[in-house]
Amino acid sequence: NAGVMQNPRHLVRRRGQEARLRCSPMKGHSHVYWYRQLPEEGLKFMVYLQKENIIDESGMPKERFSAEFPKEGPSILRIQQVVRGDSAAYFCASSPLVSTQETQYFGPGTRLLVL
Amino acid sequence: GNSVTQMEGPVTLSEEAFLTINCTYTATGYPSLFWYVQYPGEGLQLLLKATKADDKGSNKGFEATYRKETTSFHLEKGSVQVSDSAVYFCALSSTNTGNQFYFGTGTSLTVIP
Repeated sequence: NAGVMQNPRHLVRRRGQEARLRCSPMKGHSHVYWYRQLPEEGLKFMVYLQKENIIDESGMPKERFSAEFPKEGPSILRIQQVVRGDSAAYFCASSPLVSTQETQYFGPGTRLLVL
Repeated sequence: GNSVTQMEGPVTLSEEAFLTINCTYTATGYPSLFWYVQYPGEGLQLLLKATKADDKGSNKGFEATYRKETTSFHLEKGSVQVSDSAVYFCALSSTNTGNQFYFGTGTSLTVIP
């Protein structure tokens, strides 16, 4: 059973460009979470999605950031007009159920560097 | 609100030394508690978890006990190895958080031979 997959693993963008990060959850998991890890910090929740629905986006910046999880295909985190402060590691996690006891399984992350 | 406070690092230990990494939490509702480990350049891997008070999670020689009275979930290992060098994150998931996880800032552990 393949784990959570993320691509690309590393992404370099210039200021003002768009960054598109992809996440394929574990097989059988329909709940996807995105977290951001700034240098020397812990992970901060950004958004929680189910297929075709955004359930909780309370951690998502109001501008430039968007996320989707279409019926077919991976979840996408999109950052428009990137700035240097967007440089971070972005992790996707998935779980099979919605429960506080449920483990979230993390992907290897996408490390975004904005020049 | 919900938050996790973790012992600051970095921590450097000699091989076979005893490890404790402190973690305390505040939470609304009934949290589950987790320890994740992150090796360099990789994602987070679940190390252990406990879902109710007095539960003990254990894995690979690591242990942590869910203490409701002290709101703590300290990670311990009796004899560390060089391969345990990594960053360790304490996290909670609470009934009131819509299943998002709250993470501590991480504790970097280096074990020297």
